Amino acid sequence: GQNIDQPTEMTATEGAIVQINCTYQTSGFNGLFWYQQHAGEAPTFLSYNVLDGLEEKGRFSSFLSRSKGYSYLLLKELQMKDSASYLCATMDSNYQLIWGAGTKLIIKP
Amino acid sequence: TAGITQAPTSQILAAGRSMTLRCTQDMRHNAMYWYRQDLGLGLRLIHYSNTAGTTGKGEVPDGYSVSRANTDDFPLTLASAVPSQTSVYFCASSESQGSTDTQYFGPGTRLTVL
Repeated sequence: GQNIDQPTEMTATEGAIVQINCTYQTSGFNGLFWYQQHAGEAPTFLSYNVLDGLEEKGRFSSFLSRSKGYSYLLLKELQMKDSASYLCATMDSNYQLIWGAGTKLIIKP
Repeated sequence: TAGITQAPTSQILAAGRSMTLRCTQDMRHNAMYWYRQDLGLGLRLIHYSNTAGTTGKGEVPDGYSVSRANTDDFPLTLASAVPSQTSVYFCASSESQGSTDTQYFGPGTRLTVL
């Protein structure tokens, strides 16, 4: 079957670092996406990984281990505007996205 | 650029009534998608279209229909709404389907069926 797991909610402090984990089991694999979704808004693209390793993009980095079915999103120097839900999604063998339920990140001053 | 627009922003609908959710994109993307987002669940694909004139069923297509008469528009119709269709509906597009192209999302339509 297809399954994506990520924590429901996390809390972090402004200026700190937070790691949001995502584990997956999918039929076929064509990469993993991370999206950010502020409350009441549309998801917006953050990153895409298809090969193992770390991809860094400013304050945000994304890691993938295909053998472990595992990814994480690392957010550094947290800002209040980073308070949002972070959605993990894998692309299956039919190039359709399978979505996790999202992790709500709460940033405290 | 507008990107993807959806209308209406929100709607309250009586059960048994029909409704069409509108979606328009100005990026000339070939592929378009309709998702629903419910609390505690991931986005679920309702229908998709690889190119104008073609449509396909996603994970949860029952009770919904779509059409793709041209590249820009991808309306979603609920023929006879039921309370379980209460959800937030997102339209998305990508340059092509069958690839790893990024999907871009519209602002969503919040639908309540009573």
